[in-house]
Amino acid sequence: DAEITQSPRHKITETGRQVTLACHQTWNHNNMFWYRQDLGHGLRLIHYSYGVQDTNKGEVSDGYSVSRSNTEDLPLTLESAASSQTSVYFCASSLAGGTAEQFFGPGTRLTVL
Amino acid sequence: AQSVAQPEDQVNVAEGNPLTVKCTYSVSGNPYLFWYVQYPNRGLQFLLKYITGDNLVKGSYGFEAEFNKSQTSFHLKKPSALVSDSALYFCAVRDKGDNFNKFYFGSGTKLNVKP
Repeated sequence: DAEITQSPRHKITETGRQVTLACHQTWNHNNMFWYRQDLGHGLRLIHYSYGVQDTNKGEVSDGYSVSRSNTEDLPLTLESAASSQTSVYFCASSLAGGTAEQFFGPGTRLTVL
Repeated sequence: AQSVAQPEDQVNVAEGNPLTVKCTYSVSGNPYLFWYVQYPNRGLQFLLKYITGDNLVKGSYGFEAEFNKSQTSFHLKKPSALVSDSALYFCAVRDKGDNFNKFYFGSGTKLNVKP
């Protein structure tokens, strides 16, 4: 069955370190998204991609970057981790446009000390 | 600007009673509307969506939602709640901007179903 996976599921790091969160989907979806989920804020969009070599900033993109070198993967990099980036991160994918729903990964809980 | 509002942070209901989780939206043009559920320590799961046609949409786990264009609402409903329905529920919308590609999520409503 097609799926979307994230790794690691839990990560503890220190302030200032570079961290990369992996997202891999086997749905063959063009669209991929990264969100963070924090109490009181719901889901906030960090970055998104509509296809290979395409990346776009979301509403809370400062301090994060993504790259899309193939259809299946959209890794999220925290260039220099900050305590404010402690959160739960979700990756999602969908077919392009129209009526399709998003499929979500299980999430990565990141703690920055 | 596109937005989705879930006016209730929490909804409490007794098992067996009907439940409603409210959602209102503000978008340009005709929206595509979605409901997702999130169980603890899990990702969001798709429940149902409204695209066009019948205003009453049926989805997974016995849930349904009613689209009301005049009130710009898309409330989630279930005739008889189960304890296992306790979870966090998110309403989301896509609109014609950006070719319908982006989703806008509400802040979520925690549903508590008590035995």
